[in-house]
Amino acid sequence: SQTIHQWPATLVQPVGSPLSLECTVEGTSNPNLYWYRQAAGRGLQLLFYSVGIGQISSEVPQNLSASRPQDRQFILSSKKLLLSDSGFYLCAWSVDQKETQYFGPGTRLLVL
Amino acid sequence: AQKVTQAQTEISVVEKEDVTLDCVYETRDTTYYLFWYKQPPSGELVFLIRRNSFDEQNEISGRYSWNFQKSTSSFNFTITASQVVDSAVYFCALSEVEYSGAGSYQLTFGKGTKLSVIP
Repeated sequence: SQTIHQWPATLVQPVGSPLSLECTVEGTSNPNLYWYRQAAGRGLQLLFYSVGIGQISSEVPQNLSASRPQDRQFILSSKKLLLSDSGFYLCAWSVDQKETQYFGPGTRLLVL
Repeated sequence: AQKVTQAQTEISVVEKEDVTLDCVYETRDTTYYLFWYKQPPSGELVFLIRRNSFDEQNEISGRYSWNFQKSTSSFNFTITASQVVDSAVYFCALSEVEYSGAGSYQLTFGKGTKLSVIP
């Protein structure tokens, strides 16, 4: 069966510091991968998605970036965090873009 | 553009009561999928159901049931005999299947309904 992992689970970072969140999927090949952000309250915003290694599409322009160095690894990064980057970051995978997305446990990021 | 509206921000019910969570959607496409996800306090989104736009049959899974009506563009979710473990935020979502040309089959979420089941 497929499983999706995210780490760290929780992160507290000062403004201006770099960020690296990691997501890995097990039990499947060539998954579509997604990064979402959920700000305080609710509402999920799609940040990035990837249909293959090295292929990244950005949905929302901001100071975040994503990379997919391996088939089942998706990384969310920032060179300098802003206070507004605080939130709950969720990674998801799907077989292809038309299929159900399955979510990881998420990373809670607090920027101080 | 596709849109999902969950008008109920928060609902509180007493344990064992039935509760219905509303979801109304907008799409230009004739082929699309509708989803419900559950987000318990731990934060992980748990997939509950996926429905194809061509299948309007209602679905029942244990205490959960879903009523899909294309005529009113609604996909409502009912929990029968609610339990404390049902307390969570529930999201309705829509995915358009036809290629939009923008390079993405986006999954659009509603803002969620927070359900509190009181013992």
